[in-house]
Amino acid sequence: DAKTTQPTSMDCAEGRAANLPCNHSTISGNEYVYWYRQIHSQGPQYIIHGLKNNETNEMASLIITEDRKSSTLILPHATLRDTAVYYCIAYSGNTPLVFGKGTRLSVIA
Amino acid sequence: GAGVSQSPRYKVTKRGQDVTLRCDPISSHATLYWYQQALGQGPEFLTYFNYEAQPDKSGLPSDRFSAERPEGSISTLTIQRTEQRDSAMYRCASSLDSLQETQYFGPGTRLLVL
Repeated sequence: DAKTTQPTSMDCAEGRAANLPCNHSTISGNEYVYWYRQIHSQGPQYIIHGLKNNETNEMASLIITEDRKSSTLILPHATLRDTAVYYCIAYSGNTPLVFGKGTRLSVIA
Repeated sequence: GAGVSQSPRYKVTKRGQDVTLRCDPISSHATLYWYQQALGQGPEFLTYFNYEAQPDKSGLPSDRFSAERPEGSISTLTIQRTEQRDSAMYRCASSLDSLQETQYFGPGTRLLVL
């Protein structure tokens, strides 16, 4: 599976949109972009995934560039409860998930 | 069940002892995963099961680690002759099948080896 690169940490003001970038320049055609998050000491929680089209669900939106080399997870109105580590994973389903270090998002009141 | 459960939630043991951790996946889920998570790091894959079969155990750090899922539901992870470096959070996850990539994680077992 392709390696992903994310910033180590980000801050976001409560109520504003949080935009979390991810680079996956070596992603292959059969790999999806998955996002999980981990709040404090809880287990990781699935957020969203996509292949090449933008995706939206009740939690977030996922914007994937046309060349699929990068993507952005958008939390439209961040709350304090969105403070977590966010993992971007390029995943084909043939090998285990590789979480990496993720981005630590701090939502500030 | 409603979600993935793990027991015990905390385990303190002395170096050299064996420990067994348990995972009870979501009842309809065929695939079960074990991860090890060190403090400040993301989860690292250990092994997974598809029903009783264990197609991949490449992530197990040594032969002291073993896992079972004899009836295709509950799974156990056993660490023999524990060492201090085994101290970590051990997380279990399950998914509908190996092609259904969304994994649902349990609360984890925090293991401390003294």
